[in-house]
Amino acid sequence: EVQLVESGGGLVKPGGSLRLSCAASGFTFSSYSMNWVRQAPGKGLEWVSSISSSSSYIYYADSVKGRFTISRDNAKNSLYLQMNSLRAEDTAVYYCARGTVEMAAWGQGTLVTVSS
Amino acid sequence: EIVLTQSPGTLSLSPGERATLSCRASQSVSSSYLAWYQQKPGQAPRLLIYGASSRATGIPDRFSGSGSGTDFTLTISRLEPEDFAVYYCQQYGSSHRALTFGGGTKVEIK
Repeated sequence: EVQLVESGGGLVKPGGSLRLSCAASGFTFSSYSMNWVRQAPGKGLEWVSSISSSSSYIYYADSVKGRFTISRDNAKNSLYLQMNSLRAEDTAVYYCARGTVEMAAWGQGTLVTVSS
Repeated sequence: EIVLTQSPGTLSLSPGERATLSCRASQSVSSSYLAWYQQKPGQAPRLLIYGASSRATGIPDRFSGSGSGTDFTLTISRLEPEDFAVYYCQQYGSSHRALTFGGGTKVEIK
């Protein structure tokens, strides 16, 4: 069974940092591109970042470029999102999701709240 | 950047009725790069349709996708109680490698 489990969310002050993790199991993690997608409370879905299977290609939404860094460790079947200079508008549930064009597997999400 | 506009924002229907959801793109989108998702409250999104018209694994055949270019449609032939949810379209930008979601359509019980 494919499983994606996010962790690392929590309450952080504006300007602070947080590192999210996503543990993958049930599939060959190293063969798939991975993504972070977020959803602000009561709002729609917003793609945040993508990373190719071997980390050769990395892409970011303009809203997070220069502040967030996506990475992966294929030996540990894990995906990460380092979030720096956090703003109130980064408050959201962050999902990790598998896929390049469409995302067929999603985690349950981890809530990040940016507030003083 | 391609913008996806979904309509209507809310669709009020009864179980057994047909639901037709629209997703319009600001520029032409390859059919291979258009997907639909369902999201229920407190849950992660679930992939329904990929490649504009292919059903994902385990998706009932009452869900169908169609369209090309800038106009795409998700149709639910007969609404079941579990189908009341929010639906999102999503495209993959082959040039910029960015993923874009539409704003969503909520299908609610009338």
